[in-house]
Amino acid sequence: RKEVEQDPGPFNVPEGATVAFNCTYSNSASQSFFWYRQDCRKEPKLLMSVYSSGNEDGRFTAQLNRASQYISLLIRDSKLSDSATYLCVVEHPGAGSYQLTFGKGTKLSVIP
Amino acid sequence: DVKVTQSSRYLVKRTGEKVFLECVQDMDHENMFWYRQDPGLGLRLIYFSYDVKMKEKGDIPEGYSVSREKKERFSLILESASTNQTSMYLCATVELGVAQHFGDGTRLSIL
Repeated sequence: RKEVEQDPGPFNVPEGATVAFNCTYSNSASQSFFWYRQDCRKEPKLLMSVYSSGNEDGRFTAQLNRASQYISLLIRDSKLSDSATYLCVVEHPGAGSYQLTFGKGTKLSVIP
Repeated sequence: DVKVTQSSRYLVKRTGEKVFLECVQDMDHENMFWYRQDPGLGLRLIYFSYDVKMKEKGDIPEGYSVSREKKERFSLILESASTNQTSMYLCATVELGVAQHFGDGTRLSIL
């Protein structure tokens, strides 16, 4: 069964705060992991891939724990422009291709 | 930069109509996907295609069909539109088997 679970939020944080999002997945055969960002009434856009060793891109840090089937996203020094919905996405093998399963998203509002 | 173009941003149709949603990509990607997105339900896969004339059902294919006659074009068809198909529809294509690129979305209302 394919499932990706996220806390829906909303997370309301002040500017400059550090915020962490968590995600769990149920398919142990999952191979690749991503965080997408979606602004209101816009399409999802890739924020960053998640690597086994953990990876960082500026203020954003992603981590993966395969044993616990758990993914996290940490945002440091939050900006107003970080306000969006963050989608946890998991890739798993499918018929003839690969498939992505999306979490329902976690809404973040950064408040002045 | 990958470009995924959906034919309409907003569309209003009536119950029972046959509705076509078109998606075109300009990067020669083999894999294309149709999703719908509803509040509280996230993105759900309707159909995908990994080659011309090939199609696979996603999680919620009922009431939909697809057509992939050319590599760059993937069409979603609502055979007989119903009000529960009112939704945001997103087309996507894949780059290097890693990330997906989405079109702007079509907000479809069925009256």
